[in-house]
Amino acid sequence: EVQLVESGGGLVQPGGSLRLSCTASGFSLVRYSMIWVRQAPTKGLEWVSYISYSGYTTYYADSVKGRFTISRDSVNNSLFLQMNSLRVEDTAVYFCVREGAGWRAGMDVWGQGTTVTVSS
Amino acid sequence: SYELTQPHSVSVSPGQTARITCSGDILENKYTSWYQQKPGQSPVLILYQNNRRPSGIPERFSGSNSGNTATLTISGTQAMDEGDYYCQAWDTSTYVFGTGTTVTAL
Repeated sequence: EVQLVESGGGLVQPGGSLRLSCTASGFSLVRYSMIWVRQAPTKGLEWVSYISYSGYTTYYADSVKGRFTISRDSVNNSLFLQMNSLRVEDTAVYFCVREGAGWRAGMDVWGQGTTVTVSS
Repeated sequence: SYELTQPHSVSVSPGQTARITCSGDILENKYTSWYQQKPGQSPVLILYQNNRRPSGIPERFSGSNSGNTATLTISGTQAMDEGDYYCQAWDTSTYVFGTGTTVTAL
């Protein structure tokens, strides 16, 4: 079964750091581009970051550029999001997402999400 | 920055057709995807490349694109179709989601 399971969320003070993890099963990360999407409480979806299937290309939303870093471990089939200099406005559920094979084939597999709360 | 605008809410009687629009300059000559999200659940991909349905998505969901507007159509809306719907597109290293539309089956 194709599945994504996130972990690493929690409560952190403004200015602090967290590292989110996402373990993939049922498929290999090196064959798919991967994405992080977040959703603040009662708000809509916001794209956060992208890493290509090759691992060589990464993109970031302007709101997190310079503070967040996406990476992956192909051996352990895991995706990561290192979040530094966290702000109150980073509070959200963070989803690990697979981009479907093919050109702009949509985000076809979503994890259950992990909650990040930034508060003093 | 890019924006995709959707109506805040759409109400439809069961069995009738619901249409959700998504507008933005980024959509010109770009593929659009659509997602359904029910309360407390993760989003689900229901359309990609404007009008292609992933396996398991009912035929009553269809899509179209014209100029800078994409439209999701739910034909014969069922009570189970209630939820939030988001459009999404990509352009020049940026993924953009629409503002979201809540569909209510009255």
